[in-house]
Amino acid sequence: EIVLTQSPATLSLSPGERATLSCRASQSVSTYLAWYQQKPGQAPRLLIHDASNRATGIPARFSGSGSGTDFTLTISSLEPEDFAVYFCQQRSIWYSFGQGTKVEIK
Amino acid sequence: QVQLQESGPGLVKPSQTLSLTCTVSGGSISTGIYYWSWIRQHPGKGLEWIGYIYYSGLTLFNPSLTSRLTMSVDTSNNQFSLKLSSMTAADTAVYFCARALENAGHFDYWGQGTLVTVSS
Repeated sequence: EIVLTQSPATLSLSPGERATLSCRASQSVSTYLAWYQQKPGQAPRLLIHDASNRATGIPARFSGSGSGTDFTLTISSLEPEDFAVYFCQQRSIWYSFGQGTKVEIK
Repeated sequence: QVQLQESGPGLVKPSQTLSLTCTVSGGSISTGIYYWSWIRQHPGKGLEWIGYIYYSGLTLFNPSLTSRLTMSVDTSNNQFSLKLSSMTAADTAVYFCARALENAGHFDYWGQGTLVTVSS
C-alpha cells in the first residue's frame, strides 16, 4: 500500500500570500497524483490531476508539480474562498489519500 | 452535467449491514470507461477509498474492508450500491460515491455525501 504524507498539517496565511503544500509518496506513483479542495460540509473538489493538469474550471492561481514521490500544490495568491482543507490522492493498484493540509486565515 | 446522489439510512445498529445506493444522472453508468467508487470520511479525518465497481460488475476493494464488502451495479436504473456488514462505531463516517476514468487516477465527480452513524 502506498502511503501519502502531506505537510504541513496546517498553513496559516493571509489573503494574497502564496501557499505551498507538499505531498510525499512512500514509493513512486509516477504522475498519478491528484489534488482536491474540501470545504466544511462539502464533497472534495478536483483541482489538479496527473500531477500538474488543472481540472476544468479551476483558476490559474492553482498549480501542481512533481513526479515520482514528491509533489507540490501551489496557490499563487490566496483568495478568501481558498481557505479550506487540501488532500492529495494517488492511484497505484488501489487509491489512497493524504491526511490533508488545512489552509487557514492568519 | 453528471450528478451523483447517495441514499441510505443515516443510522445503523452495531453488527448490522449498511446498504447505500448511488444514483447517477446526466450520464450512463454503462459507459464502459468509468470506475464507480465509494469513499468515506470519518468525522474530522481524512478520506478512505472503499472500493469500486465497473459497469460489468468487476470490482476492486480496499484490502482492509474486503471481507465485509459487497458491491453491485444496476445499469437499468443507473445505480450502484454498497453493502458493508458487521458495522461498528469505527464505521461511522460520511460516505461518498464518486466517478473515476478507467485509465486515469483521479475522481472527477462526487456525490454530496451521506452521514452514517453506527449506534444502538
